[in-house]
Amino acid sequence: EIVLTQSPGTLSLSPGERATLSCRASQSVSSSYLAWYQQKPGQAPRLLIYGASSRATGIPDRFSGSGSGTDFTLTISRLEPEDSAVYSCQQYGGSPLYTFGQGTKLEIK
Amino acid sequence: QVHLVESGGGVVQPGGSLRLSCAASGFTFSNYGMHWVRRAPGKGLEWVAVKFYDGSRQYYADSVKGRFTISRDNSKNTLDLQMNSLRAEDTAVYYCARDQRSTYFDLWGQGTLVTVSS
Repeated sequence: EIVLTQSPGTLSLSPGERATLSCRASQSVSSSYLAWYQQKPGQAPRLLIYGASSRATGIPDRFSGSGSGTDFTLTISRLEPEDSAVYSCQQYGGSPLYTFGQGTKLEIK
Repeated sequence: QVHLVESGGGVVQPGGSLRLSCAASGFTFSNYGMHWVRRAPGKGLEWVAVKFYDGSRQYYADSVKGRFTISRDNSKNTLDLQMNSLRAEDTAVYYCARDQRSTYFDLWGQGTLVTVSS
């Protein structure tokens, strides 16, 4: 099983700052198979990034993804209050077919 | 507008059964694989099961294999999850999600809460 470990667990930043969220895999993951999601309380998860670095439809360019192998990063520049949410990475492959990280909670002060 | 709407959640005793449904609209349902994903309280998301676009194959997480059954009706644009022998650890919000390229989930429903408790 490929385990995804996200850090930090909680991140508290101010509007206008940059957030850097990490997702580390226990074994190498194809970049094609790494995605990021945003989930706000009481809402459905929303796809942000797929293929490690491709933005989903309608996602502002403040959100960017990078990385390869076992280390992946979601960067959110120019933070806005509505960016407060839990962010999760997800990979495809192996058993189980799909695994998620435990999530990073981003708080905007 | 594309939508997924789950229903069927509730409170059930350990060992009991529950059937969840997901109604899809706004897209050609029969073109897409569909998944169930859950989030237990205070935990990360956990993939549960997938049903191929044509219903030909399905796969399950080990944690639910033999207890849960995923099915779909492409004529009604619905996805179901039959959950038997429920355990406390199955308590979670259950989401249906649309498959994209068999690698990620590009559309999610709002979820339905399942609570397994005596």
